[in-house]
Amino acid sequence: IAGITQAPTSQILAAGRRMTLRCTQDMRHNAMYWYRQDLGLGLRLIHYSNTAGTTGKGEVPDGYSVSRANTDDFPLTLASAVPSQTSVYFCASSVSGRDEQFFGPGTRLTVL
Amino acid sequence: GQNIDQPTEMTATEGAIVQINCTYQTSGFNGLFWYQQHAGEAPTFLSYNVLDGLEEKGRFSSFLSRSKGYSYLLLKELQMKDSASYLCAVMDSNYQLIWGAGTKLIIKP
Repeated sequence: IAGITQAPTSQILAAGRRMTLRCTQDMRHNAMYWYRQDLGLGLRLIHYSNTAGTTGKGEVPDGYSVSRANTDDFPLTLASAVPSQTSVYFCASSVSGRDEQFFGPGTRLTVL
Repeated sequence: GQNIDQPTEMTATEGAIVQINCTYQTSGFNGLFWYQQHAGEAPTFLSYNVLDGLEEKGRFSSFLSRSKGYSYLLLKELQMKDSASYLCAVMDSNYQLIWGAGTKLIIKP
């Protein structure tokens, strides 16, 4: 692994299903983030983690949950998917949480 | 509220110079970032300004005026590969990035 990886690359999901998007980084960055990107809107922060064991809510956290059990992994879970969660999801990390963020390749999620 | 404004789309000619503007109103300021995003790809970091003035990095330069809440990204000697969206983001008082919607730059031969 080099940098940040996300899985799956894309997914079509039935409404009401549970889904976990995976994110792993090998840069030993302390801070990690989940964003969603929708056409015509800027990236919007869903949840973040400044260090392993801690998480915080971003601008649009409803319907999503995260965990940060270790430095490398930061999974995002949709407990019961709804069509409005159709989006491209990016995971990102930064060394300290106060510097530039590095992005994973993204997951394109469609909820029908 | 917090707001980042940048033009939706710009068109420029290969070999020319283009300036992409960004204005912001945020709760606190801990730096301004520019990212490049090619269609279907992830954003990649271009530049960071925290003090007023111009930062130059090869063909790309970024300028900041904190008193005016204004920044621009200057791209020189445009190449076809520069066709992409350019995202302006401000780090607020909580060290969270507030993102503009991006400027789609179209380069014509």
